[in-house]
This record gives sequence, C-alpha cells and structure tokens, in this order.
Amino acid sequence: EIVLTQSPGTLSLSPGERATLSCRASQSFAGTYLAWYQQKPGRAPRLLIYGASRRATGIPDRFSGSGSGTDFTLSISRLEAEDFAVYYCQHYGNSLFTFGPGTKVEIK
Amino acid sequence: QVQLQESGPGLVKPSETLSLTCTVSGGSVSGDYWGWIRQPPGKGLEWIGYIYYSGTTSYNPSLKSRVSISVDPSNNQFSLKLPSVTATDTAVYFCARRRTNGGNYFDFWGQGILVTVSS
Repeated sequence: EIVLTQSPGTLSLSPGERATLSCRASQSFAGTYLAWYQQKPGRAPRLLIYGASRRATGIPDRFSGSGSGTDFTLSISRLEAEDFAVYYCQHYGNSLFTFGPGTKVEIK
Repeated sequence: QVQLQESGPGLVKPSETLSLTCTVSGGSVSGDYWGWIRQPPGKGLEWIGYIYYSGTTSYNPSLKSRVSISVDPSNNQFSLKLPSVTATDTAVYFCARRRTNGGNYFDFWGQGILVTVSS
C-alpha cells in the first residue's frame, strides 16, 4: 500500500503570492493515479486536479499540477482570498484509494 | 449536474451498526462507481470503499472486515453499513462519485453527515 506524505504541513502566505505544495509517495506510480482536492472548513472536498495535471471542470487556471514517479506538486500561481484552505493529494492503485494528510494554506 | 445527499442517524451507540444512505440526483447510479470517505473531527480524509453499479466492491483494508457497501439502482441510492462501531468511528461521512476518465478520483461529493458514536 502506497503512503503519501504532504509538505509542508502548514504554508503561511499572503494573497498574491505563489503556493507550492508537495505530495511524495512511498513508491513510484503513474501520474494518472494522482489527484488533488481543496477543502474548506465545514465543506466537502472539491476536486481540483486529476491525472496529476488535468484541471477539473471549473477550476481556475491559477491552479496547476505536475510531477511523476514519487514526487508531485500542486501550484497556485497567485493566491486569492478564497484559496486559503486545506489541500489533499490522493492516490489510486490496486483498487485502493489513499489520501495524504493534507497541507493547510493559511493567511500570513 | 450530479448531486449526492447523505442520510441516516447522526448518533449511534457503541457496538451498534452505522447505516448511511446516499441518494443521487441529476444522474443515475447505473454505469458509474460510487464511494464513501470519512473524516474524523479535525483530521484528514480516510477512504472507506467504493461500489460499481453492478455490485463489485473494494474496501479499505483497515475496515474490510467490518464494512459493507451496497447499491440500489431502483431508488438511485447506495448505502454503507459499519457494524460494531466504537468512538473511533465518529466522523463526517461523505459519499462521492468515482470517475475513471483520465485518472481515478472523486468528482462530485455529498455535503457530508456527522455521525457520533456515543452512549
């Protein structure tokens, strides 16, 4: 079973800054099986990125995903007030899903 | 647009069975995969399992011995049963649609239902 590690645990940034979130896997896998979600307090997670780099419907282009093998990245080019939230990466393999522990992006 | 809504008791006694239903609207359960994910208060997401409309299932190994997911196409619903609950099963439970186009992910989610295990 693949274990996902996300870093940093918390990212303190100001609006307008760039955010770079990391998701590292315990084993290498194809990017097809990596997704990213955003979750705000009291809300359900929202799909941002699937297949490592494909934006979900309605997701602004300031969100981008990249990576392969064991290292994947979610980037937010210019943080807006609505982007401060918790972000989770998710892996699928061998009929099983795994979520990372999350990165909280907070206002500095 | 597909919408999902969880329903069921918000309070379950220890050792009893947690039973939740997810009702799908704006689409059909037939032809797709459907999943359950939970989130203990203040913690991260834990995948519970998923079911294909035909009945094929896959469960989190950590819960496999206890969990059961079923689908009811006639009512456009799918359900979760988790017997012998303890306080550690207290969580917000989400239902979601799993997609396999270009990857494997959950694209539409219910709002979630808080289930508390307490006597």
